[in-house]
Amino acid sequence: QSALTQPASVSGSPGQSITISCTGTSSDVGGNNYVSWYQQHPGKAPKVMIYEVSNRPSGVSNRFSGSKSGNTASLTISGLQAEDEADYYCSSYASGNTWVFGGGTKLTVL
Amino acid sequence: QVQLVQSGAEVKEPGASVKVSCKASGYTFTHYYIYWVRQAPGQGLEWVGMIDPNDDNTRYAQKFQGRFTMTRDTSTSTVYMELSSLTSEDTAVYYCARGRAGDYWGQGTLITVSS
Repeated sequence: QSALTQPASVSGSPGQSITISCTGTSSDVGGNNYVSWYQQHPGKAPKVMIYEVSNRPSGVSNRFSGSKSGNTASLTISGLQAEDEADYYCSSYASGNTWVFGGGTKLTVL
Repeated sequence: QVQLVQSGAEVKEPGASVKVSCKASGYTFTHYYIYWVRQAPGQGLEWVGMIDPNDDNTRYAQKFQGRFTMTRDTSTSTVYMELSSLTSEDTAVYYCARGRAGDYWGQGTLITVSS
């Protein structure tokens, strides 16, 4: 069982927007702003899409955005494209210099 | 530009040890922790531990304590993770990542444990 809770799967049609949630506790997600989101295509390394809740690394499309409210962080993908189909993971810094991860969400573009 | 470059894939027999490296460049090495994450085949991401390159302090996830050892060499801006008493359950891709934010990741190192 993962420390952070994500939906196992989400889906959307091209052009639509989807949101993936990541729920933790006040000891992790709710207690700091070090929440990150990763995209992983089969057989590839995770790619950082969002860090520090809402920051996008250089080169990541602005269709990807992150936010947080209380103990729940969210990743929103707007203008869904076929290439967005992948697994998405959230992570959070937690007390004592530790990290916790969500179990991952499989995004299907219909 | 910031880069974390990891050592290549390894195949080890059960009971052996292996040392994975993560060489940092493009930033001040001692200013950011290095975190290690692993992903077993078909599984999700799992936090292994972290090291503070500034003072060599480490922290490990409970399940890895005692068998995993992280060290650093400030002269080469390299962090090492040694895994001992390997079992088939250690077969995974191991990643290093920079800082609490995890904003940069290495390319991953596949460790295969098989007789």
